[in-house]
Amino acid sequence: GAVVSQHPSRVICKSGTSVKIECRSLDFQATTMFWYRQFPKKSLMLMATSNEGSKATYEQGVEKDKFLINHASLTLSTLTVTSAHPEDSSFYICSAREGKRGVNYGYTFGSGTRLTVV
Amino acid sequence: RKEVEQDPGPFNVPEGATVAFNCTYSNSASQSFFWYRQDCRKEPKLLMSVYSSGNEDGRFTAQLNRASQYISLLIRDSKLSDSATYLCAVNKGGGNKLTFGTGTQLKVEL
Repeated sequence: GAVVSQHPSRVICKSGTSVKIECRSLDFQATTMFWYRQFPKKSLMLMATSNEGSKATYEQGVEKDKFLINHASLTLSTLTVTSAHPEDSSFYICSAREGKRGVNYGYTFGSGTRLTVV
Repeated sequence: RKEVEQDPGPFNVPEGATVAFNCTYSNSASQSFFWYRQDCRKEPKLLMSVYSSGNEDGRFTAQLNRASQYISLLIRDSKLSDSATYLCAVNKGGGNKLTFGTGTQLKVEL
């Protein structure tokens, strides 16, 4: 089945620094990947849709200059949290769906990155 | 009204019980529906897609009611290992974005 690898799994950084999170589709090509954020006991909130070779599409209220997304290849998307602050501490998860699959085929998630900004 | 709504629970049930969750969605144009399972501090994992005709996978049965705009998940013969949060997800169509409910927490007890 489709496998999505996400790294790092956990990161602790100082306020003001930037953190890059990688999401790779290991055995399929993903022209589109999705970045979610999940706060404790809350649902997954879609932040942006990452499109290979073009600009990401951000959801309302998500700052594109703060959450930089790059999708330079069919198997890799990166999310960079720039100038991180404690309120950015959250669980960030990427997902992708194998392009050739039909709409009823579910999305595969990476294992998530738990970001703590101190 | 939220796009996708679930009762957060928790549902505390004894081992062996049958438990059902519902999830309502607001957009009648929604095309595809899924149930995911999420364990504490882990990523969601696809449990099953939900088809118009309903589908069953072992102890799990999912159904879709388009007229009333909800999907359901039935778990029979609950196991301790079924304890998790169950998220429903809806694809509104016209794109590939999934919208998730807040999840329903299930605790299966001895």
